[in-house]
Amino acid sequence: DAGVTQSPTHLIKTRGQHVTLRCSPISGHKSVSWYQQVLGQGPQFIFQYYEKEERGRGNFPDRFSARQFPNYSSELNVNALLLGDSALYLCASRLAPTQSYEQYFGPGTRLTVT
Amino acid sequence: EDKVVQSPLSLVVHEGDTVTLNCSYEVTNFRSLLWYKQEKKAPTFLFMLTSSGIEKKSGRLSSILDKKELFSILNITATQTGDSAIYLCAGAYGGSQGNLIFGKGTKLSVKP
Repeated sequence: DAGVTQSPTHLIKTRGQHVTLRCSPISGHKSVSWYQQVLGQGPQFIFQYYEKEERGRGNFPDRFSARQFPNYSSELNVNALLLGDSALYLCASRLAPTQSYEQYFGPGTRLTVT
Repeated sequence: EDKVVQSPLSLVVHEGDTVTLNCSYEVTNFRSLLWYKQEKKAPTFLFMLTSSGIEKKSGRLSSILDKKELFSILNITATQTGDSAIYLCAGAYGGSQGNLIFGKGTKLSVKP
């Protein structure tokens, strides 16, 4: 079975630009979460979506937004990019919030902002 | 403020050694403690611990949770070079939502 997939693998953007990252969960998983991991730190929670609704939001500015589609895939959008947004963006999927706390991660998108 | 603290932050051992990685947590509405191994990019799931005192085991890896003292340990016996990675500990919080708060990780290097 395919695991969590993310695209693109790498991305280089300029300050002030906008970026869209994509994630497809494991088949049968209905919840998707997004995390930001900067070098030397553990992943930091950004959003959780379940059944197309936002179910949790971390301490990130409004420049960050996300959505989930009927097929449970998800997009993370970041507007007005800053140098500090350079990080590995990880997507994780799980069955459903009420079924299991186990989350399975994709390979991530490495975003570099210059 | 919720936090997860891992120690040590880095560790160098030789093949065959046994290592113990530590994780302490202060997490509101704590539900479970999860361990992940991160080699290149994607953290891979190792264990989820919900009940105190019950050891989970997978091959040479084992882990246990102490909900009274708010910590967990991950043991790796007979280490191999392939165990070299960053080991992440995370607390699941927030009721049924179960979002994760991670520690900074322990970087393990196993030398031949």
